[in-house]
Amino acid sequence: DAKTTQPPSMDCAEGRAANLPCNHSTISGNEYVYWYRQIHSQGPQYIIHGLKNNETNEMASLIITEDRKSSTLILPHATLRDTAVYYCIVRVDYKLSFGAGTTVTVRA
Amino acid sequence: NAGVTQTPKFRILKIGQSMTLQCTQDMNHNYMYWYRQDPGMGLKLIYYSVGAGITDKGEVPNGYNVSRSTTEDFPLRLELAAPSQTSVYFCASSLRQVGYTFGSGTRLTVV
Repeated sequence: DAKTTQPPSMDCAEGRAANLPCNHSTISGNEYVYWYRQIHSQGPQYIIHGLKNNETNEMASLIITEDRKSSTLILPHATLRDTAVYYCIVRVDYKLSFGAGTTVTVRA
Repeated sequence: NAGVTQTPKFRILKIGQSMTLQCTQDMNHNYMYWYRQDPGMGLKLIYYSVGAGITDKGEVPNGYNVSRSTTEDFPLRLELAAPSQTSVYFCASSLRQVGYTFGSGTRLTVV
């Protein structure tokens, strides 16, 4: 499985866009990029996933570089409720592995 | 539609005791998973199942057993509890590789 690298933490101002980077330089052609988040000890919550194209849903946007070696999760208008640990995962099948993730703190 | 339900929410076990963590889902998902999360760490896959009657080991299966007799239920069994099994246990389900739904977790302490 491709390994992912995320910054351990980042701050964001409420109402501003939060851009969360993820490096996955060893990703193979059929591996998807998934993003989940975990709010304070709750079970992780699915956010978005993609293979090659950029994706958008009601929660976030996922931008994948053309070479697929990195991606960015964008929370367009961060709120205090978006404070969480965000996990970037790369897998080809259904057995997801969750690393340490990025702790995002949204500040008023 | 309750999603994924885990019981109990909290439990304290003595070393050597046994227990079963219950997990049930009402979404007719064929894939189910058990993860553990130690403090400050990510989640590690213990066991998973791709359908009734089929189970397989994940990253950290030692000390645990599972069964999948129905689509809905995926219990996790600890036979001889050890302090190293103190953790938060999450059950999850999915239709395919998209969109896991997680339960709220079971916080287990072994003393």
